[in-house]
Amino acid sequence: AQSVTQPDIHITVSEGASLELRCNYSYGATPYLFWYVQSPGQGLQLLLKYFSGDTLVQGIKGFEAEFKRSQSSFNLRKPSVHWSDAAEYFCVGVAGGGNKLTFGTGTQLKVEL
Amino acid sequence: EPEVTQTPSHQVTQMGQEVILRCVPISNHLYFYWYRQILGQKVEFLVSFYNNEISEKSEIFDDQFSVERPDGSNFTLKIRSTKLEDSAMYFCASSVGHPKAYEQYFGPGTRLTVT
Repeated sequence: AQSVTQPDIHITVSEGASLELRCNYSYGATPYLFWYVQSPGQGLQLLLKYFSGDTLVQGIKGFEAEFKRSQSSFNLRKPSVHWSDAAEYFCVGVAGGGNKLTFGTGTQLKVEL
Repeated sequence: EPEVTQTPSHQVTQMGQEVILRCVPISNHLYFYWYRQILGQKVEFLVSFYNNEISEKSEIFDDQFSVERPDGSNFTLKIRSTKLEDSAMYFCASSVGHPKAYEQYFGPGTRLTVT
């Protein structure tokens, strides 16, 4: 079955520290992959997306993600976290050509000042 | 920047009552979706809607659920007879359509509490 797994439920980092949120996928073929962020009271905002081509994709707010086929991973990174980055982050996949998104369980990021 | 809006932000209803959740998708989008997230669980796909009909639905989307685009701007989700287990956050989303139907923009959600 198609799935997306986020192994970390909660992560705490200090402001200014680097961040990496993990995501693994399980699809028959290479899926399209996304990272969404949800701040309290806000909707799900698209951070970045991967379809094909360059395996390192840049997104908004200084985030990037790297697609690694050999590890079935699509980890989200940011070199220096800001307090405003505290939110829940969702890794999302969809089979190529489809439109039914499959969400990971989410990772809650806490930023310590 | 255009965005998806949803009303109400929070709805409390009694078991067995009908509820209608409303969404206004982005104006030039053609595909519309509902997802839900039960507290502590994953966001789950419910239904997709295109050209005034359901294009795909999940096993969750049973006869108690229905969707409608009653006019040129609104997209609604109706639950005919709510159950306790329908308590969840319901997200509406929209997308331009093929070949970018997967690039979906979400609203802020409606929290439904069934008592």
